[in-house]
Amino acid sequence: DVKVTQSSRYLVKRTGEKVFLECVQDMDHENMFWYRQDPGLGLRLIYFSYDVKMKEKGDIPEGYSVSREKKERFSLILESASTNQTSMYLCASSPGLAGFYNEQFFGPGTRLTVL
Amino acid sequence: AQSVTQLDSQVPVFEEAPVELRCNYSSSVSVYLFWYVQYPNQGLQLLLKYLSGSTLVKGINGFEAEFNKSQTSFHLRKPSVHISDTAEYFCAVKITNRDDKIIFGKGTRLHILP
Repeated sequence: DVKVTQSSRYLVKRTGEKVFLECVQDMDHENMFWYRQDPGLGLRLIYFSYDVKMKEKGDIPEGYSVSREKKERFSLILESASTNQTSMYLCASSPGLAGFYNEQFFGPGTRLTVL
Repeated sequence: AQSVTQLDSQVPVFEEAPVELRCNYSSSVSVYLFWYVQYPNQGLQLLLKYLSGSTLVKGINGFEAEFNKSQTSFHLRKPSVHISDTAEYFCAVKITNRDDKIIFGKGTRLHILP
């Protein structure tokens, strides 16, 4: 089974702190994604990556950055956390264009609260 | 650009009754279509997908969906719901020959009433 793990289920940080959210997948997938999920807004794409050291902005990249130094790991960084970044963060991975199904596999999510 | 509309944000239904969750998409090119389910305090998992072929797609937990190209719809159905189906359901679309971004709908919360 594909497994996507996220470093924390719950996280509480203070305004202005630098926050790292880690995601690891064990299926050698090329693509990895970070979403945030807010009530009534569904999933919104923050950043995604097609390959190591590659990254592309999603729909709401402001206030976030990412790092992908190894194929299996994709980190989301909040440079200076703000209260409007309180949300559920979901990581996902999928096989590349050569893959047959293109479905995304999700981690359990990290619920981040910024005080 | 493609988009996904889930027409109902919440759907209450009695246990053992049938349910339909509606999804419409807009795209000028061919697409793949997905339904994902999110149980309380969990990530999303794939319920079913349409890639090509038969327009009636069967998924896990007794769910099925029908692709209707003329109406650009992909509604999700279950003939008899159980309390364990309480969850949020997301419809999603992906362009078949483009990059791997999937566009998600805003979700429909299914409430099962005893």
